Amino acid sequence: AQTVTQSQPEMSVQEAETVTLSCTYDTSESDYYLFWYKQPPSRQMILVIRQEAYKQQNATENRFSVNFQKAAKSFSLKISDSQLGDAAMYFCAYRTGANSKLTFGKGITLSVRP
Amino acid sequence: KAGVTQTPRYLIKTRGQQVTLSCSPISGHRSVSWYQQTPGQGLQFLFEYFSETQRNKGNFPGRFSGRQFSNSRSEMNVSTLELGDSALYLCASSLGAAGLGVEAFFGQGTRLTVV
Repeated sequence: AQTVTQSQPEMSVQEAETVTLSCTYDTSESDYYLFWYKQPPSRQMILVIRQEAYKQQNATENRFSVNFQKAAKSFSLKISDSQLGDAAMYFCAYRTGANSKLTFGKGITLSVRP
Repeated sequence: KAGVTQTPRYLIKTRGQQVTLSCSPISGHRSVSWYQQTPGQGLQFLFEYFSETQRNKGNFPGRFSGRQFSNSRSEMNVSTLELGDSALYLCASSLGAAGLGVEAFFGQGTRLTVV
């Protein structure tokens, strides 16, 4: 069974600084996708970034980038120039190419200090 | 383009009752998935519907059921409610195809409280 692990329950970052959120996963599949979702206090899950397993290049979306280490099954999210609006819960998620079910990690609460 | 719409946003029900939650996906999306979010268990997959057929199912009892209509709108039903069913229920919409279609977009959720 596929599992997603986020071992840090909470992190804090100073505004304008950079923070990295960790995620590891376990799978025997070769075709899969990884995602980071943000859940602010409004509870709406917002897609931050996605990574296809077959792509070696790390995905980037503006201030958000990932470090995808396929052999180590690691998928961390780097947030640059942190803003107060980045404060939220962040979830790492996995799905295979064939099965639409998303498997989520437990999430990490990120706070941003002004 | 309108996002994923879930109704109602909040519900309070009594143990033993049943409840129906609704989800309208993004226009053109044929896949609708449902998730239960609780502080203790986190986010758990309930089921997925694609073109009116249940395509995947999570490990939930038969009290949890769903359906999808021809316009892709989906409903989920929970019968004989238990206190442990109190949760945020999230609906996710996607194209349901490979490649770009793998991205799932979520609604704001329905907060169900069972008393």
